[in-house]
Amino acid sequence: SQTIHQWPATLVQPVGSPLSLECTVEGTSNPNLYWYRQAAGRGLQLLFYSVGIGQISSEVPQNLSASRPQDRQFILSSKKLLLSDSGFYLCAWSVLGMNTEAFFGQGTRLTVV
Amino acid sequence: DQQVKQNSPSLSVQEGRISILNCDYTNSMFDYFLWYKKYPAEGPTFLISISSIKDKNEDGRFTVFLNKSAKHLSLHIVPSQPGDSAVYFCAAREVGSARQLTFGSGTQLTVLP
Repeated sequence: SQTIHQWPATLVQPVGSPLSLECTVEGTSNPNLYWYRQAAGRGLQLLFYSVGIGQISSEVPQNLSASRPQDRQFILSSKKLLLSDSGFYLCAWSVLGMNTEAFFGQGTRLTVV
Repeated sequence: DQQVKQNSPSLSVQEGRISILNCDYTNSMFDYFLWYKKYPAEGPTFLISISSIKDKNEDGRFTVFLNKSAKHLSLHIVPSQPGDSAVYFCAAREVGSARQLTFGSGTQLTVLP
């Protein structure tokens, strides 16, 4: 069966520090991968998606970047965090090209102080 | 510009009664619609979906209705149970290879015992 792992679960980082959140998927090949963010009291905003290794599309201009160094690995990064980067970050995957749901990781609560 | 809208941020229902959660969309290119349930500090879990070629899909206590002409969908939960209390997100997928989801802002459902 397929599983998605996302870590860490919680993170407190000072303003100006770097960020690296990692997500890995097991049990499937060539998945679509996504990073979403849920700001406090708001819905889920798509940040990045990837349809293959090295292929990253950004939905919104921001202080963050994403990379996909391996087929089932998706990394969210920042060189210098801002207070506004605080939020709940979610990684998700779906089957490429199919009319199916996306499966989400447990999320990372990031607090920038 | 919100392409998927959930205009009710909260809904309270008595246990055993029907819960109706509503969602409107504006993008005519959406062809697949999903409902997710989310508990605090967890990733969303998939509930039920419907393709744009259908107008109803049922799974146990959950039924999703789609009205394409009105660009409206709804989730019916009957009978409602206290364990159904959570935030419910409506999501939609646009025709295309990446199949990324666009989410509404969510509705907090509280089922009162």
